[in-house]
Parts: sequence; structure tokens; C-alpha cells
Amino acid sequence: DQQVKQNSPSLSVQEGRISILNCDYTNSMFDYFLWYKKYPAEGPTFLISISSIKDKNEDGRFTVFLNKSAKHLSLHIVPSQPGDSAVYFCAASFLNYGGSQGNLIFGKGTKLSVKP
Amino acid sequence: EPEVTQTPSHQVTQMGQEVILRCVPISNHLYFYWYRQILGQKVEFLVSFYNNEISEKSEIFDDQFSVERPDGSNFTLKIRSTKLEDSAMYFCASSATGGSSPLHFGNGTRLTVT
Repeated sequence: DQQVKQNSPSLSVQEGRISILNCDYTNSMFDYFLWYKKYPAEGPTFLISISSIKDKNEDGRFTVFLNKSAKHLSLHIVPSQPGDSAVYFCAASFLNYGGSQGNLIFGKGTKLSVKP
Repeated sequence: EPEVTQTPSHQVTQMGQEVILRCVPISNHLYFYWYRQILGQKVEFLVSFYNNEISEKSEIFDDQFSVERPDGSNFTLKIRSTKLEDSAMYFCASSATGGSSPLHFGNGTRLTVT
């Protein structure tokens, strides 16, 4: 079952440059999308979210873009910092279809390394 | 910043034994969740809990699993008779309200079933 896919297991970026993490989904009923960051030995930490009625949401250095027709979302981090090195998870939910934001379907994650 | 705390950080148990994983959600949160991540696999939803009852559960959450909020602060996950395939990292999470309120995760309990 691969409803949420992160096809790049890893990404390496130079400090100060842009990091772009990608996520594809298969279920068009998903209506809420989130990105979580995870450091080793810690739980996932919420970063940013987007509702399906929007195509962009920005919070400081983090921007999430949603392309519903392509069933694709991406997380842009600019400028990237060494402290951003972590595993990034994309997640989706059926917020407005009787579900709750709490039942998240996660991707497998992309490990981002930001080199000084 | 308030945190979700989980104990123990690592639990080793023998197959067939009962295990209880404990969580203290953020104090003013109303919704509570358990997720698990088997090594090398995705983080998977197990169950959500609100107003002292299960609001949603996944296919993974079968009769071997149960959750409880025994007092005003703790939230527990019990596995009645552990199997080897229950070995995973178990994450507790809480959110202030339902809807789009983000989940705050604890650091997890690594369960090893031998």
C-alpha cells in the first residue's frame, strides 16, 4: 500500500542553497497534507501543513507547494542550514471526509543532509 | 515548550508476554494517538482516542491491542500477548483539538520482542 510516496530516500544539499523534497500521492480524496521532520532518537516534529483548497503555504524558510492535478507536493527549504539535516516525512489525511487529521498516512521519508 | 513524554524508551519482552507502553500527553490536549514504525518501514497509524473512547483505529489495531487513559495524565497502549512482529518503535502523539490541529509526538518506545 503506497498511497503516499517519497521516491528519494536521501538528498544532499550545500548550506545556503535550496532543498526541495518531493512527495506523490495516489488517493485524490486526501484533503490535508503535512510535513514532519525527525531527528534520530526523537519523534516526528510538525513543520508545515497545507489544505487541498490551497496551492501554497509558507512559514519562514519553509514553503509547501501542492499540485492537485499531478497529486504532488513539495517542501522547499531556503536557505538550507546544517541543523535542517534530518529525515523529512510527508503525510496525508482525509480531514473532511469523516476522518481526522490524526489518522495520518505517512511516506517513507527522505533523509536530508545539509553540508556546511 | 510542553512535550509528550513516553516511558520506557526501550522495552524488551518475551513473545507471549503482555506489555504496557506509557505516555503522558501535553496537559491541555484532548486527542491522543498511537503510531508505530517497524524498522525500515513507514510510520503507521494505530489508534486515536478522544473523550475516553477510541475514535478511530487501523487494521493493525486488533484484539491484542488496547488503550486506556487511566487517570487525567497518562495514556497507555497494552499489547496482550506480544508477537515477534510487534517489534517496532511506538510513538504516542497528542493534539489540542481535532481537525487540523497538528500532532505532537513523543520520542517513542522501542519495543523488542524476543
